[in-house]
Amino acid sequence: EDQVTQSPEALRLQEGESSSLNCSYTVSGLRGLFWYRQDPGKGPEFLFTLYSAGEEKEKERLKATLTKKESFLHITAPKPEDSATYLCAVQARQAGTALIFGKGTTLSVSS
Amino acid sequence: DAGVTQSPTHLIKTRGQQVTLRCSPKSGHDTVSWYQQALGQGPQFIFQYYEEEERQRGNFPDRFSGHQFPNYSSELNVNALLLGDSALYLCASSSWMVEDEQYFGPGTRLTVT
Repeated sequence: EDQVTQSPEALRLQEGESSSLNCSYTVSGLRGLFWYRQDPGKGPEFLFTLYSAGEEKEKERLKATLTKKESFLHITAPKPEDSATYLCAVQARQAGTALIFGKGTTLSVSS
Repeated sequence: DAGVTQSPTHLIKTRGQQVTLRCSPKSGHDTVSWYQQALGQGPQFIFQYYEEEERQRGNFPDRFSGHQFPNYSSELNVNALLLGDSALYLCASSSWMVEDEQYFGPGTRLTVT
């Protein structure tokens, strides 16, 4: 069964304190791995797509990396406005373009 | 450039009733997917529409049905509502040319009492 597990469930950081979020996946043929940001009561906002092991993508203070079994979202020197839930999702080759999501990591950054 | 829009924003229904949710895709997009997000959970795929046909379906009962119109907008219908159907319903749009990038709307919060 295709599955996505994210850890930790919640993470509290001080402003400027860098950390990483983990997304481990089990999928029968990875088509792509996706990171989204979701603010409370809003729809997910697309951040990155990764396709193959070793691939990395960056956007401002965020950097996503991919291995054959997991992905990391590194947050460098976070600011309070980075507080949100970060969702990881995969597409499996045999499952078309449907996204299979993890439960998310809720990040709180305090000043 | 208008993003994905959904209506209504919030909805309260009684158990056993029927509900229709609406979605307009991002300009240039022709594919619409619907997801259900329960509180504290990640979104779960319901189904996807392309060229006015259901192309793919997740593990949801037949009470959940949909439609896509010639202008690519879409509706999600849920019959015989259950308390467990209370959730945030998200619409995501994409283009057949760039299928992997799905852009989400703000969602419709459905409460079943």
